[in-house]
Amino acid sequence: EVQLVESGGGLVQPGGSLTLSCAASGFTFSNHALQWVRQAPGKGLKYVSAISTNGDKTYYANSVEGRFIVSRDNSKNILSLQMGSLRAEDTAVYFCARVAPTYSLDHWGQGTLVAVSS
Amino acid sequence: DIQMTQSPSSLSASVGDRVTITCRASESIKRYLNWYQQKPGKAPNLLIYKTSTLQTGVPSRFSGSGSGTDFTLTISSLQPEDFATYYCQQSYGLLYSFGQGTKVEIK
Repeated sequence: EVQLVESGGGLVQPGGSLTLSCAASGFTFSNHALQWVRQAPGKGLKYVSAISTNGDKTYYANSVEGRFIVSRDNSKNILSLQMGSLRAEDTAVYFCARVAPTYSLDHWGQGTLVAVSS
Repeated sequence: DIQMTQSPSSLSASVGDRVTITCRASESIKRYLNWYQQKPGKAPNLLIYKTSTLQTGVPSRFSGSGSGTDFTLTISSLQPEDFATYYCQQSYGLLYSFGQGTKVEIK
């Protein structure tokens, strides 16, 4: 069974940093691109970042470019998102998701909440 | 970036109704359009990929159509478990942008 489990969320002050992790199991991790998607409270889904199968290509939404860094460890089946210079508007549930060969997100984690507040 | 616009943003319908949600892309995305269902407090669930192909396990009352910039999700006979929020998503550009969502509520 494919599983994606996020961790690392929490309360952080504006300007602070946080690193999210997504532990994967039940599939060949290195065969799939991965994405981070976030959802602010009561709002819709927003693309955050993506990473290629071997990590050589990374992509970011304009709103997080230069502040967030996505990476992966194919030996440990872990996806990470380093978040810096956090702002109140980064407050959201962050989901990791697997990119299927059909260019859709076919499996999602349960999400982890990041709250940026003083 | 490719912008996705869904309509309506919400709708009220009864069990058994036929429901249609539309999604428009700001430029042609060919058929790289996906649909997701999300229930409160849960992760999104993939319903349809590449415009019209049902994900495994998705009931046949769901269908999708369109190409280029205009797309449609149809639920042929709304069931109680279908009350949820639906999102379209393009996967043609490098950044997989979403529509703003359509909340389907009970009338």
